[in-house]
Amino acid sequence: GQQVMQIPQYQHVQEGEDFTTYCNSSTTLSNIQWYKQRPGGHPVFLIQLVKSGEVKKQKRLTFQFGEAKKNSSLHITATQTTDVGTYFCAGCSGNTGKLIFGQGTTLQVKP
Amino acid sequence: NAGVTQTPKFQVLKTGQSMTLQCAQDMNHEYMSWYRQDPGMGLRLIHYSVGAGITDQGEVPNGYNVSRSTTEDFPLRLLSAAPSQTSVYFCASSYLPPEQPLEQYFGPGTRLTVT
Repeated sequence: GQQVMQIPQYQHVQEGEDFTTYCNSSTTLSNIQWYKQRPGGHPVFLIQLVKSGEVKKQKRLTFQFGEAKKNSSLHITATQTTDVGTYFCAGCSGNTGKLIFGQGTTLQVKP
Repeated sequence: NAGVTQTPKFQVLKTGQSMTLQCAQDMNHEYMSWYRQDPGMGLRLIHYSVGAGITDQGEVPNGYNVSRSTTEDFPLRLLSAAPSQTSVYFCASSYLPPEQPLEQYFGPGTRLTVT
């Protein structure tokens, strides 16, 4: 079945450093979504990418969707303590809406 | 709009007991799903539904049943609880393609402990 792998599992950075998490799918995706979960909270939607090679930016966050629509990345520039949390990618194949999540990358930011 | 609601927030069960986790949404979403979250495992899809009367299995369906009699409600049943089902359970809902956006709205979660 469809699998979504995400690396790294954990990342500790000093405030102001950059951070990147990578996501790879075993199958071609119709879209990929990114979510953020704060400790003790529930996942909250960040963005959806649909087109091959698509790049979207949200302030210090840059999201990319690979040309083959099987991989994606999230890059945060100049991390802040408010960026702390777990970032998940989630891939959707076909039109069923079924979403498979990666294992997540937990980001810790030292002030 | 209440969004996605889940009850209860916390539950402790003994091995072999059964229970139902409730999930409701008021956004008229066709798609609803249940995930379990365990440390280091991310969110794993248990069951999902693309509309009333239609359900399907996800990645880890064993030990769980679902039904979807209305658009709003999607309860998850544990038939005979086992310690391996100790987890945090999230319900989520979204529109279905081709409608947009496809973002999933999550409930606050149910923390379940099976002793």
